[in-house]
Amino acid sequence: AQKVTQAQTEISVVEKEDVTLDCVYETRDTTYYLFWYKQPPSGELVFLIRRNSFDEQNEISGRYSWNFQKSTSSFNFTITASQVVDSAVYFCALSEALGANNLFFGTGTRLTVIP
Amino acid sequence: DAGVTQSPTHLIKTRGQQVTLRCSPISGHKSVSWYQQVLGQGPQFIFQYYEKEERGRGNFPDRFSARQFPNYSSELNVNALLLGDSALYLCASSLWLAGFYEQYFGPGTRLTVT
Repeated sequence: AQKVTQAQTEISVVEKEDVTLDCVYETRDTTYYLFWYKQPPSGELVFLIRRNSFDEQNEISGRYSWNFQKSTSSFNFTITASQVVDSAVYFCALSEALGANNLFFGTGTRLTVIP
Repeated sequence: DAGVTQSPTHLIKTRGQQVTLRCSPISGHKSVSWYQQVLGQGPQFIFQYYEKEERGRGNFPDRFSARQFPNYSSELNVNALLLGDSALYLCASSLWLAGFYEQYFGPGTRLTVT
């Protein structure tokens, strides 16, 4: 069975601080994909990153970075020098097997960046 | 290019009524998925359709049904509404991209059941 756990329900940081959002997943598949989505108050899910299970290379995109560790089944997301516009709910998600289209989402972490 | 569109934006229904939600995918996308997001939770998969055929179904009762039309737009129907059906309903259109479906989400329809 698949499961995504985001233990942090809410995080508040002061602007310019770094913040890491944790994600732990469970799956029996050897081929799977991991995602992070941002959901601002408008409600639309904004895609941030996709990672496949064969690529453990960490990725950096501007102020965003992701740390994928299969050994601990974790896919953590770090925002460097946070900004007020980063305030949103962030979801980690898992998709099993090539061609499968359904995403299993965690319960989300609400990030509030205080100016 | 236009993104995924959903209608209506908001909807208020009474228990026991039926509702139809609509989704238009991005041009060229042949797959549509539906998700339910209850307040404070992550989205939950309801259905996937590809080329008008159901390809996947989540753990939802038979009160939930969907279909996809020849132009790849989709409708989600929910019968005999319950208070617990109040949620944001998200549609995602998908493009097959190098071995994976890349999903693009619409703004959602917020359904309130009173």
